[in-house]
Amino acid sequence: AQSVAQPEDQVNVAEGNPLTVKCTYSVSGNPYLFWYVQYPNRGLQFLLKYITGDNLVKGSYGFEAEFNKSQTSFHLKKPSALVSDSALYFCAVRDWDTDKLIFGTGTRLQVFP
Amino acid sequence: GAGVSQSPSNKVTEKGKDVELRCDPISGHTALYWYRQSLGQGLEFLIYFQGNSAPDKSGLPSDRFSAERTGGSVSTLTIQRTQQEDSAVYLCASSSGDDTQYFGPGTRLTVL
Repeated sequence: AQSVAQPEDQVNVAEGNPLTVKCTYSVSGNPYLFWYVQYPNRGLQFLLKYITGDNLVKGSYGFEAEFNKSQTSFHLKKPSALVSDSALYFCAVRDWDTDKLIFGTGTRLQVFP
Repeated sequence: GAGVSQSPSNKVTEKGKDVELRCDPISGHTALYWYRQSLGQGLEFLIYFQGNSAPDKSGLPSDRFSAERTGGSVSTLTIQRTQQEDSAVYLCASSSGDDTQYFGPGTRLTVL
């Protein structure tokens, strides 16, 4: 069965510093991996996805993620954090049998001025 | 263009009442999904519609939950005889088949 894990409930970073939000996955076959962001009282906004191709995927709002097959990871990164990046971030993998998304438990990112 | 819309944004109901939640997907999207987000369970899949195929209902937690999609567009999620554990945010998503699901703002359901 497909699954993703987000080992950190919360990540704190100072504005201007680089940020990383971690995600590891477990799948049978090739993984389709996604990152979504959720602002307070809002739905999920798509950030980026990895389907195939380059291991470094660039997405919205300056975010990028690196697919690492040997470490089964898909960490979300941004070179310089903004206070407005503070939100809840979800990693997800597509289930091959059902097309549904299987989500991690979420990581709350707090960027301090 | 317009994104996925959901109504109502908030719904407060009494235990035992029925509720209907509506989702308008992005125009032209053939796939539609319902998820539930709750504190105890995180984000969980409920049901999936793809074109004219029979829906995948494998995530529905009980037979009190049902959903339909009329004309391949609008979908309604119905919860009968609501219970307090049904309190959650219900999220709808649609996809055009490019593997990306686009989510609506959600309906926050509170069962008193």
